[in-house]
Amino acid sequence: IAGITQAPTSQILAAGRRMTLRCTQDMRHNAMYWYRQDLGLGLRLIHYSNTAGTTGKGEVPDGYSVSRANTDDFPLTLASAVPSQTSVYFCASSVVQGVINEQFFGPGTRLTVL
Amino acid sequence: AQTVTQSQPEMSVQEAETVTLSCTYDTSESNYYLFWYKQPPSRQMILVIRQEAYKQQNATENRFSVNFQKAAKSFSLKISDSQLGDTAMYFCAFMKQQTSYDKVIFGPGTSLSVIP
Repeated sequence: IAGITQAPTSQILAAGRRMTLRCTQDMRHNAMYWYRQDLGLGLRLIHYSNTAGTTGKGEVPDGYSVSRANTDDFPLTLASAVPSQTSVYFCASSVVQGVINEQFFGPGTRLTVL
Repeated sequence: AQTVTQSQPEMSVQEAETVTLSCTYDTSESNYYLFWYKQPPSRQMILVIRQEAYKQQNATENRFSVNFQKAAKSFSLKISDSQLGDTAMYFCAFMKQQTSYDKVIFGPGTSLSVIP
């Protein structure tokens, strides 16, 4: 693989169910991010990780959790999904120590919570 | 806190014409980066162009150029010779480097339609 992959591509989920969105990058970037995209709001940061073993909260972290066991993987978990979490979710990565730290994005996961 | 505003939710342009997308931002920082991302119907986020705040020269990438007005906190994107493949959502983004991660603030987006 080259870049960032996300799985699943789309998912319909019943409210109250647990769901994990997967994200894997092969660029050895130290920082990874999860965003949600909602119409009229752009992309908002949910959680981030600047290196394996550490995570931090972004702008809209409530209802979500993340882990960073290694450099490549950064899963996002919804412990008990609610309809307001219906959104398109993007994973991204960057090299924080770079000169211009462009963020590279995965293809996104469309999640519908009913 | 930084904010990014895109005042044009939707725009359209005739093929081969020029269009300008507006973006303003609010920050007290002096050192930062600005980006324009393109999101076509495929949903993939694609970096179009970037600008370092300390550079006075406007960035240019082929048919894409920016008008960066630091004092006015304005960062507009000009697309010349518009093509059908330019049809997409365009996001303006502000980034300030922090010690732990790169904090990026996105605008709400402008949906651009290129009409044949």
